[in-house]
Amino acid sequence: QMQLVESGGGVVQPGRSLRLSCAASGFSFSISGMHWVRQGPGKGLEWVAAISSDGNTESYADTLRGRFHISRDNSKNIVYLQMNSLRVEDSTVYYCAKGLGRGSSAWYLDYWGQGTLVTVSS
Amino acid sequence: QSALTQPPSASGSPGQSVTISCTGTSSDVGGNDYVSWYQQYPGKVPKLMIYDVTKRPSGVPDRFSGSKSGNTASLTVSGLQAEDEADYYCCSYTGSKAVFGGGTKLTVL
Repeated sequence: QMQLVESGGGVVQPGRSLRLSCAASGFSFSISGMHWVRQGPGKGLEWVAAISSDGNTESYADTLRGRFHISRDNSKNIVYLQMNSLRVEDSTVYYCAKGLGRGSSAWYLDYWGQGTLVTVSS
Repeated sequence: QSALTQPPSASGSPGQSVTISCTGTSSDVGGNDYVSWYQQYPGKVPKLMIYDVTKRPSGVPDRFSGSKSGNTASLTVSGLQAEDEADYYCCSYTGSKAVFGGGTKLTVL
């Protein structure tokens, strides 16, 4: 049974940092590309970042590059999202998602976690 | 990277067909065949419905089909059923990043 469990969300003040974690199980994590996607209340999906199966390639949404950093630990089956200089507009639910396959298929998200809520407020 | 353009809403009666469009640019939708579609029910996580413009993952009914012409991709739902009422999002992989559409709320009348 595939499982993705996000954690690390919460309330944080503007300008502070937060690190989200996503623990994976039930599939071959080390050969799967992984992504973070966020969604504000009543709003649409916004792709945040992706990391290749070996962790050597990172990709980011243009608007978030420089503030957010994605990483992974294949020995622990965990993917992380380090979020720095947080802004009020970063307040959303953050989903971890698994890529369908290799190559371009790694960019199709075939399994999603339940999400973790981040609230940036003073 | 601007979001892909989708109509905010679409509707149809049971048994009818509905098509949802997704318009991008030559840098995303029009530049390759890496378009996918996701279905999301209220309070639930998204589900992959279509990838590589036209392919369906195992378990997705063949009532769902995808196509593309130029900078516009489309999702067609044939033989509408009440359970198809949901939000639908397109997504394009540009080679270095992904971008979603704004989403379309499909209502089954």
